[in-house]
Amino acid sequence: DTGVSQDPRHKITKRGQNVTFRCDPISEHNRLYWYRQTLGQGPEFLTYFQNEAQLEKSRLLSDRFSAERPKGSFSTLEIQRTEQGDSAMYLCASSLNRAGGETQYFGPGTRLLVL
Amino acid sequence: DAKTTQPNSMESNEEEPVHLPCNHSTISGTDYIHWYRQLPSQGPEYVIHGLTSNVNNRMASLAIAEDRKSSTLILHRATLRDAAVYYCILRATGNQFYFGTGTSLTVIP
Repeated sequence: DTGVSQDPRHKITKRGQNVTFRCDPISEHNRLYWYRQTLGQGPEFLTYFQNEAQLEKSRLLSDRFSAERPKGSFSTLEIQRTEQGDSAMYLCASSLNRAGGETQYFGPGTRLLVL
Repeated sequence: DAKTTQPNSMESNEEEPVHLPCNHSTISGTDYIHWYRQLPSQGPEYVIHGLTSNVNNRMASLAIAEDRKSSTLILHRATLRDAAVYYCILRATGNQFYFGTGTSLTVIP
């Protein structure tokens, strides 16, 4: 399968713990996006990378959130000192930068539950 | 933020055409109109996109109003597998996609 993969698919943690999620994009894609989705809502943009550079961050991305894409391939999203409000689906998407409307390919998501 | 307005839900009978509307009155001249859909417990899936002209692909057709303030996603023959939440998205300046809450499509057998 050459689509976007995310690991883990599900994560249950206790409030105050740190969690890290991984996203492996489609191999030739230079852009990688992170989104958060809560029940009944559409995905909300968090941040995106072009190659290894983090070019844009949403104000939703508090100081407890950090994302990296060290070699321009896979990416990690870490949440420190998790709160119950962090419970959501975290989606990763990748795309190939091109003029015109680019298509984002989404992974299956990581569902986080903070107890 | 480039905003879109969609009905919360729609129903269609199986094997009939479905027209999913989207209003985007604040669209700018360079915004592409994208449609994605999301099946339960899955990530969103690309459906179609366009700028000014109507577009067709194997999944659907996209009809764009002449003033570009609205568009319609057309599924020519709805199947049970088309039951999903459909998102109409404008690509804002920069690179963010704003999804909104979408239209939940129910397909009735």
